[in-house]
Amino acid sequence: DVKVTQSSRYLVKRTGEKVFLECVQDMDHENMFWYRQDPGLGLRLIYFSYDVKMKEKGDIPEGYSVSREKKERFSLILESASTNQTSMYLCASFDSRSYNEQFFGPGTRLTVL
Amino acid sequence: KQEVTQIPAALSVPEGENLVLNCSFTDSAIYNLQWFRQDPGKGLTSLLLIQSSQREQTSGRLNASLDKSSGRSTLYIAASQPGDSATYLCAATQNTGGFKTIFGAGTRLFVKA
Repeated sequence: DVKVTQSSRYLVKRTGEKVFLECVQDMDHENMFWYRQDPGLGLRLIYFSYDVKMKEKGDIPEGYSVSREKKERFSLILESASTNQTSMYLCASFDSRSYNEQFFGPGTRLTVL
Repeated sequence: KQEVTQIPAALSVPEGENLVLNCSFTDSAIYNLQWFRQDPGKGLTSLLLIQSSQREQTSGRLNASLDKSSGRSTLYIAASQPGDSATYLCAATQNTGGFKTIFGAGTRLFVKA
């Protein structure tokens, strides 16, 4: 079974802090995604990556950056956390070479105070 | 720009009932369509994936169909159970120089014992 893991289930940070959210997948998937999910707004794509060191902006990249130094790991970085970044963050991956099914991690509930 | 709509937003049914969840999308040039289940505070679990060349997929009591020409997909749940209570999301993936997935807002299902 494909496994997508995220570094924390719950995280509480202060405004202005630099925050790192890490995502690791164990099935050699090319494509990885970061979403945020908010009530009434659904899932929105922040960034995605289709290969190592490659990244593309999604629909709401402002205030975020990403890093993909290794194929299995995709990191989301909040350079200076703000209260409006309080949200559920979900990482996903899939392999376009077979079935293209997206697999999600358990999510990180981030609260910025 | 792809938009994905799910109807109804919420549904409450007695145990044992067969039910249909609807998903519509505006751009028929999709790569695949995927149905997910999400329990409160958790990540997304993949239920069924339909490739663009397929018409339907089945898994146990679940059956998903895809009609690209009309921009519609349905998820059929047979003999519903209280354990089916969750939010169901559909997601359309397109290949636009990188795979991008647009999610519907979900249908929140309550199955009463």
